[in-house]
Parts: sequence; structure tokens; C-alpha cells
Amino acid sequence: EVQLLESGGGLVQPGGSLRLSCVTSGFTFSNYVMSWVRQAPGKGLEWVSGISDSGGSTLYADSVKGRFSISRDNLQDTLYLQMNSLRVDDTAVYYCAKSSRLLEWYQYDYWGQGTLVTVSS
Amino acid sequence: QSVLTQPPSVSAAPGQRVTISCSGTTSNIGNNYVSWYQQLPGTAPKLLIYDNNKRPSGIPDRFSGSKSGTSATLGITGLQTGDEADYYCGTWDDGLRAGVFGGGTKLTVL
Repeated sequence: EVQLLESGGGLVQPGGSLRLSCVTSGFTFSNYVMSWVRQAPGKGLEWVSGISDSGGSTLYADSVKGRFSISRDNLQDTLYLQMNSLRVDDTAVYYCAKSSRLLEWYQYDYWGQGTLVTVSS
Repeated sequence: QSVLTQPPSVSAAPGQRVTISCSGTTSNIGNNYVSWYQQLPGTAPKLLIYDNNKRPSGIPDRFSGSKSGTSATLGITGLQTGDEADYYCGTWDDGLRAGVFGGGTKLTVL
């Protein structure tokens, strides 16, 4: 059974940092592109970032470029999102998502339960 | 403002059919596959349709997808109260080099 379990969310002040983790199981993690997608309270889905199967290629939404960094540990089957210079409008539930097939970046067949990040003073 | 455009809400009676549209451009829907996600209240999104019109195992054939040019459509037949949810379309945008979603459509089964 495929499982994705996010952690690391919480309350942080504007300008602060957080590191999210997504521990996975039930599939060969190193074979798939992984992504982070967020959802602000009462709003729609927003793609945040993606990372290739090897970790050698990363992409970011313009809204987080230069502030967030995605990475992965293929030995620990874990995905990370380092978030720096956090802003109030980064407040959202952050989901990790698995791509549905090899080498694909944008169709997600499994999602975690999400972790809430609240940026407030 | 979402890159893909969906109606904010649709409604229909139980047993009826409803369609949800998703409009984009040549740099996103026109050149990439479209997927659809169902998000029940308080839960994570769930993949309903991928590759424009394919259903993952376990998704009933009441759900269907289609794409034409720069638009895509999700169809749901035999509506049930359990189908009440938010529905999102998604694809890739070649110009942005980013994943993109529609703003979401809230389905109400009257």
C-alpha cells in the first residue's frame, strides 16, 4: 500500500523558516518525480515545486522561487521542502504528491494527508 | 487567479448528469495531458482521471474525461450525494515550466 506522510508544519512568524518532510512507503521512491502542492485556507490547489527521480532537476513556482528548496533522500524514501523567508500568504496545507508514472511531472496518483503551515505574528 | 479556468460551482439532482469544464491555452492544456481530482471536505485530493480520459483502478465508470484543443471536461453520471466535493483540473504549463490547476468547482447534489 502506497503511503505518504507529511510532517513539520506549524506556526511560524513572518520571515521565519520551516522544513517539511514526507516519508513514503509502498513504492520504489527513487523511480518517481515527487512534488509539493499547497492549498491556502478556503482556496484552490497551487503547485509549489517538483523534483526529478534522481534529485538532479528541480522546479519551482514563481511565488516561492528563491525562498523554498526541494530535496529528496532516495535511501530514506523521504521528500523535503525547506521554506525560508516565509510570508503570511504562504499559509496553507502542504501536500506531497507522487507522480503517476516514470518521468512524469504533473499527474499525481497518491497524495499525503497534508501538513498545515501557518505564518503569523 | 488560476491559470486554468473552471466554473466556481455546478449543481444537479441525484441520478442526473453534470459536466465541469476546464479552459486553458496552447501552452498548457493544448500541449499536455489533463488530470482531474476530487477533494471531499477535509481530505486530500484524489486522482479521478488522468491522460485526459483514463480512470485509475477503483474509480467507477460514472466518471469520464475528455479534451478538445485547449479545453477539457469532466463528466459525472448517476449523481450521488457522496459525489458532493470540490473538483480540480490540472496539467503542465510549458511556458511557466510548472504544474497548474484550475480554481476548483464545487459540486452540489441537490
